Amino acid sequence: DAKTTQPNSMESNEEEPVHLPCNHSTISGTDYIHWYRQLPSQGPEYVIHGLTSNVNNRMASLAIAEDRKSSTLILHRATLRDAAVYYCILSRNTDKLIFGTGTRLQVFP
Amino acid sequence: NAGVTQTPKFRILKIGQSMTLQCTQDMNHNYMYWYRQDPGMGLKLIYYSVGAGITDKGEVPNGYNVSRSTTEDFPLRLELAAPSQTSVYFCASSYSGEMNTEAFFGQGTRLTVV
Repeated sequence: DAKTTQPNSMESNEEEPVHLPCNHSTISGTDYIHWYRQLPSQGPEYVIHGLTSNVNNRMASLAIAEDRKSSTLILHRATLRDAAVYYCILSRNTDKLIFGTGTRLQVFP
Repeated sequence: NAGVTQTPKFRILKIGQSMTLQCTQDMNHNYMYWYRQDPGMGLKLIYYSVGAGITDKGEVPNGYNVSRSTTEDFPLRLELAAPSQTSVYFCASSYSGEMNTEAFFGQGTRLTVV
């Protein structure tokens, strides 16, 4: 499985945009980029995923570099509820998600 | 629509005891997964199933067994509990193995082995 690299932690103030980076230099052409987040004491929840083009949904935006070796999860206006661990995961259309250690996002009022 | 339901939420086991962690989903998903999460760490895949009657090992299968007799249920069995199995266990399901679909997770089972 291709490996991802994320910063251990990031901080943001409430109402500000947050850009969470993910490097995946060994990504293959069939790898999808997925983002999940885990709120304290909860199971992970899906955030967004993409293949080549940038993606938007009600929770976030996913910006994918042209060479696909990196991506950025964008939270447009951070709220206190967005404080969580964010996982960037690659999958090769196989049947499992392999998690790394993720980025712990702290949001300050 | 309950999603993915795990029972129990908490359990304390003595070393050497056995137990089954239950997981059921009502979304008619064919793929199901078991993960464990140690404190401060990411999730590790234990076992997964691509459909009834089919299971396969993940990253950390030792000490665990699974079965998948129905689409809805995917129990995880610990035969001889060890302190190293103290962890939070998450079950998940998805509609297909193609990872362009969303996986849904349960709320977890917190297991302590003493």
